Amino acid sequence: DTEVTQTPKHLVMGMTNKKSLKCEQHMGHRAMYWYKQKAKKPPELMFVYSYEKLSINESVPSRFSPECPNSSLLNLHLHALQPEDSALYLCASSQDRSLVQGNTEAFFGQGTRLTVV
Amino acid sequence: AQKITQTQPGMFVQEKEAVTLDCTYDTSDPSYGLFWYKQPSSGEMIFLIYQGSYDQQNATEGRYSLNFQKARKSANLVISASQLGDSAMYFCAMREGTGNQFYFGTGTSLTVIP
Repeated sequence: DTEVTQTPKHLVMGMTNKKSLKCEQHMGHRAMYWYKQKAKKPPELMFVYSYEKLSINESVPSRFSPECPNSSLLNLHLHALQPEDSALYLCASSQDRSLVQGNTEAFFGQGTRLTVV
Repeated sequence: AQKITQTQPGMFVQEKEAVTLDCTYDTSDPSYGLFWYKQPSSGEMIFLIYQGSYDQQNATEGRYSLNFQKARKSANLVISASQLGDSAMYFCAMREGTGNQFYFGTGTSLTVIP
């Protein structure tokens, strides 16, 4: 199983809503990522988890709150978002760098297309 | 400085022809990996090919090959026998030996013309 599953695929939310994006993988990967991507732009790293601990936060506003409840799950909690937060949110996982040398590509989910109204 | 540079915002190729997408990188880490991803309009990032910094031979995966020139710090993707389904955004990425972060280039939009 080389799949990263993200739910929901599409989400429309108001600026006062609270919602969560979910990501799941069963490849035994201990590094998990959230990226934000605008149209025709590269993915922008938001957060990295390593062994369920937050290892990188790229100065993301606090209205985005990540959570890694176990080694297979990654959530992104959304609260009081702005219209400019509308984007494709991609989850990814990979072998943790501490474990392996060599080929350690990231596997991506299909993303959640978020629209903030 | 940019870790990954892709200088071709858009490329066109005739169906069945080969095309080269350029990628240069910048790192002082002797251990690193270089990756190419394809992103169709559906949004999913699809892993295509990997090249390790210590690999002696250029990587190949089916119609994809990577022209790795270490001294020039370039890792160009070659797609042979282009197909209509190859139309997509292509991103070059790097992962350094010391961490989990992947650095992405700005991407190249490839259009295959029938």
